Amino acid sequence: DARVTQTPRHKVTEMGQEVTMRCQPILGHNTVFWYRQTMMQGLELLAYFRNRAPLDDSGMPKDRFSAEMPDATLATLKIQPSEPRDSAVYFCASGPGQAVDEQFFGPGTRLTVL
Amino acid sequence: AQSVAQPEDQVNVAEGNPLTVKCTYSVSGNPYLFWYVQYPNRGLQFLLKYITGDNLVKGSYGFEAEFNKSQTSFHLKKPSALVSDSALYFCAATNYGGSQGNLIFGKGTKLSVKP
Repeated sequence: DARVTQTPRHKVTEMGQEVTMRCQPILGHNTVFWYRQTMMQGLELLAYFRNRAPLDDSGMPKDRFSAEMPDATLATLKIQPSEPRDSAVYFCASGPGQAVDEQFFGPGTRLTVL
Repeated sequence: AQSVAQPEDQVNVAEGNPLTVKCTYSVSGNPYLFWYVQYPNRGLQFLLKYITGDNLVKGSYGFEAEFNKSQTSFHLKKPSALVSDSALYFCAATNYGGSQGNLIFGKGTKLSVKP
């Protein structure tokens, strides 16, 4: 049963520390998404990649967030330095890439910045 | 600008009763419409989608949704609710010619089914 995996599942850190979240998309999916979910803002698209190239990262605070795909099996989202307002659940999703296709979500990383 | 609206933050239903979770959309051209469900501490799961054809779409767990072009709506329905249906439901939309990156999500509706 293919699924998206994310690590870590939970992360508690102090303000100013670097945070790295990892995602393994489903094999064969060429599109990867990073979302952030908070009670106040709901689900926000931070960035998405097609064939490992970033297509849109306009949802990310550029000064502190960065997203990369070092290879087809790994996507990373980094926050440096982290701030309390970054506390949220971060989801990775992957998909076959067409508008008609559904996205497959990972279980999320719950980040708490103290 | 494209948008998806879920007018109800929460829907409360008694077990065994029919349920409806509302969604309206605004996209250019022909819409592709999706429903996802999120159980506590889990990622979103795909329920069903409308691409073209029959306006009534059937999906997982007995859910269905009706596409209404004139009302630009895509309401999620189930004839008989279960307590286990309690979750957060998201409607999403994109359009023909768009990509998965153009998928717009609504803010979600919390469904509570009481025994």
